[in-house]
Amino acid sequence: AQSVTQLDSQVPVFEEAPVELRCNYSSSVSVYLFWYVQYPNQGLQLLLKYLSGSTLVKGINGFEAEFNKSQTSFHLRKPSVHISDTAEYFCAVTSPYSGAGSYQLTFGKGTKLSVIP
Amino acid sequence: DAMVIQNPRYQVTQFGKPVTLSCSQTLNHNVMYWYQQKSSQAPKLLFHYYDKDFNNEADTPDNFQSRRPNTSFCFLDIRSPGLGDAAMYLCATSREDRGGTDTQYFGPGTRLTVL
Repeated sequence: AQSVTQLDSQVPVFEEAPVELRCNYSSSVSVYLFWYVQYPNQGLQLLLKYLSGSTLVKGINGFEAEFNKSQTSFHLRKPSVHISDTAEYFCAVTSPYSGAGSYQLTFGKGTKLSVIP
Repeated sequence: DAMVIQNPRYQVTQFGKPVTLSCSQTLNHNVMYWYQQKSSQAPKLLFHYYDKDFNNEADTPDNFQSRRPNTSFCFLDIRSPGLGDAAMYLCATSREDRGGTDTQYFGPGTRLTVL
């Protein structure tokens, strides 16, 4: 079984300040990791993903995340946030070789990022 | 642009009145998913189709059904909506093959209100 822990339910940050949203996962097998963003009354938009290769992953809107296998973490970072980054962010994990019939994408509970002018 | 489309974006129904939500995709993905997301919670998988094969999550209520008439379309039917079924319903798609799973792409969601 897999699980995802997003340690902060809410993160307020001033505009143009850096931000880190934390994500830790638990899995007994290799994983794929994702960050999705959800704006109010919208669906989930893929920010970035780690499948394999370089542990530093760059995504859209200036976000990046680093996969750390030893710490089982996949923290999301942005060096300078904008008002438009105010949204809820979900970390998610799945196994790459689930086999037919098993495609569970396990989500964390989400982190609400509020950017303060 | 290739995408996942959900209609309607907002749906209001009465307690006990059947409702159908629609999802279509132009990505030609073979797997389609339905999630339920209640306020301030993570999405919860209801079921998914792998090609034509239907896979129900163990804790999905019988009140929820789904149909996939072809690759592009998938429907969520709620036979007798209760007040507790008010939520955002998200459709997602992915391409799966013998090499394993890949990214799920989500539609904009349908917000269901039950009066």
